[in-house]
This record gives sequence, structure tokens and C-alpha cells, in this order.
Amino acid sequence: EDKVVQSPLSLVVHEGDTVTLNCSYEVTNFRSLLWYKQEKKAPTFLFMLTSSGIEKKSGRLSSILDKKELSSILNITATQTGDSAIYLCAVNDYKLSFGAGTTVTVRA
Amino acid sequence: DAGVIQSPRHEVTEMGQEVTLRCKPISGHNSLFWYRQTMMRGLELLIYFNNNVPIDDSGMPEDRFSAKMPNASFSTLKIQPSEPRDSAVYFCASSFGQGFASYEQYFGPGTRLTVT
Repeated sequence: EDKVVQSPLSLVVHEGDTVTLNCSYEVTNFRSLLWYKQEKKAPTFLFMLTSSGIEKKSGRLSSILDKKELSSILNITATQTGDSAIYLCAVNDYKLSFGAGTTVTVRA
Repeated sequence: DAGVIQSPRHEVTEMGQEVTLRCKPISGHNSLFWYRQTMMRGLELLIYFNNNVPIDDSGMPEDRFSAKMPNASFSTLKIQPSEPRDSAVYFCASSFGQGFASYEQYFGPGTRLTVT
């Protein structure tokens, strides 16, 4: 059965800190890996990664995929309280499998 | 530009009643997905449609659940009869792409279902 595992499950940081979230996967026909941010509502799309080693960046957020290690990381630099959310990783292998998410709490 | 629209936003019903959730995808998107999210099980894909045709319904919990997409701009998820364990937030999402989810999915605001 396909599996997507995120770590850590939760973390608490202070504003200005850097956060690194991990996602590892075991799927049969990998097509892409997606990162979402979920606050108190629906998930919003952050990144889609298909190629290994190519970093995607959006402001203070960046993500990179390592197909050899079957994993991806999501970095958030200079964290702000607005970054507090659940970050979901999902892997597309002709169906979408989600990890349990990492809850990030940024304290002022 | 309107995003994915879901209705109702909240639904409270009694066990045994029929529940119908509705979704209007983003115009031009050709894939539509129904998800369920609970604290216990996280986010789960129930079914997805491509060009109005159900492609994978392996996530549908049981026969009490059914989904239709009569045209490119409307889909329903029906639960009959509903049970308390169906209580969850149900999300609809849409995307554009050939095959499955080639591109990012955009989620609707969700329907919070409570079955008492």
C-alpha cells in the first residue's frame, strides 16, 4: 500500500526561526509531489515538484525533491505568526495520497 | 474569478437521513475530486472524475456513498443512509490536466457534516 510519512508531526518555533519539514514516500508510479498549507479552512496549494534536485521557491518558502531518497523537504525561513498552519504533503501516483501533516506553531 | 464552490457549508442531520453535498468546479477544469477529512484519518480521497467520468472510486467507503457528475460544472456526493461516523469535513477540489491530477488542485471551502 502506498505510504506518505511526514515529520515531525508538530513543532513550535519563534518568529524569525527557520523551519524544515520532511516528507517521505513509498509509491508505485511516482508522478509528482505536492505541498499544501491548511489553516482553519481548506488546503491551499504551495508547490508541485516533479523533477529531482530542482528547488521551487515562493517568498520565504522553498521546497526540493530527492527522488533517490524518495523524499522532499519544505523550508520556511524567517517564520511569521501567519505561517502557523498544518502543512500537508501529497504524492501523485495516479491517485493522490496525503501524509498526516505537520502542525507548525509560530510564537511571537 | 470564482474558486471551487461547495454547498451547503454546514449540514447537521440525523442518522438515517439522506445527505447531498454539491460542488461547482472552477470553470475550465476537467478533473474533480471529493475528499473527506477527519481528525482520526486525516485527508482521504474518495473519488475523482476526469471529463465527467468517474476514474477511481476506490476511496468511497461503502455503498452508502455515491457520487455523480452530470456535466462539467456540477457534481454531487450523496450519503444514504447517513451514520454518525460519516461526520467530517468534505472537500471538493478541481484541477486541469490529462490523466490524473497533472496539475495542482484547488480546494473548495468544504462542507462540515455532522450526523447525530
